[in-house]
Amino acid sequence: DAGVIQSPRHEVTEMGQEVTLRCKPISGHDYLFWYRQTMMRGLELLIYFNNNVPIDDSGMPEDRFSAKMPNASFSTLKIQPSEPRDSAVYFCASSPPPGTGWEKLFFGSGTQLSVL
Amino acid sequence: GENVEQHPSTLSVQEGDSAVIKCTYSDSASNYFPWYKQELGKRPQLIIDIRSNVGEKKDQRIAVTLNKTAKHFSLHITETQPEDSAVYFCAATNFGNEKLTFGTGTRLTIIP
Repeated sequence: DAGVIQSPRHEVTEMGQEVTLRCKPISGHDYLFWYRQTMMRGLELLIYFNNNVPIDDSGMPEDRFSAKMPNASFSTLKIQPSEPRDSAVYFCASSPPPGTGWEKLFFGSGTQLSVL
Repeated sequence: GENVEQHPSTLSVQEGDSAVIKCTYSDSASNYFPWYKQELGKRPQLIIDIRSNVGEKKDQRIAVTLNKTAKHFSLHITETQPEDSAVYFCAATNFGNEKLTFGTGTRLTIIP
């Protein structure tokens, strides 16, 4: 398996534009997590899914952020409209089903987002 | 919810010396404590973890200790090497929670 795949690796956009980040989890993994990494706050959990269903979105900063998982092999994180304070590295991670190591996260390479 | 504090935020160590990174957690129900290593420009990767039924775990040059009473756990790296330079994150959860809470990270620099 190629691991968790994220795209794009880098995204530069202007304030007010819509940004869509994409993630393909490891096949067979039941859990998918979206994290945001900044120098000030480290790794923050934004939202996570179990079997494509959003379980906890309490970390989503505000209504400008939304996430979907239409099937077991694809998820998106959308920011609309984007703001400079959204600049960060966004990581997607997946983990196996309960009882087989759900607690061990496999991270993607991240998307470096810069909002000008 | 769980709150994890990590210290120090930066640490410089002479090559060959030991490094220690400490974390405290707030939720006494937490029972799983992993450590992730993130090299510059790379993704975080799990390097070692410990469950609350043990006090210490070792894997070659790295070890983790857990004090449940004091609610803190530590990462120990001995005989440090340049490739140990990275950001290290601690985390905590309990198995009924399904999500990890991470510390803010420690940037470890090994000085040749």
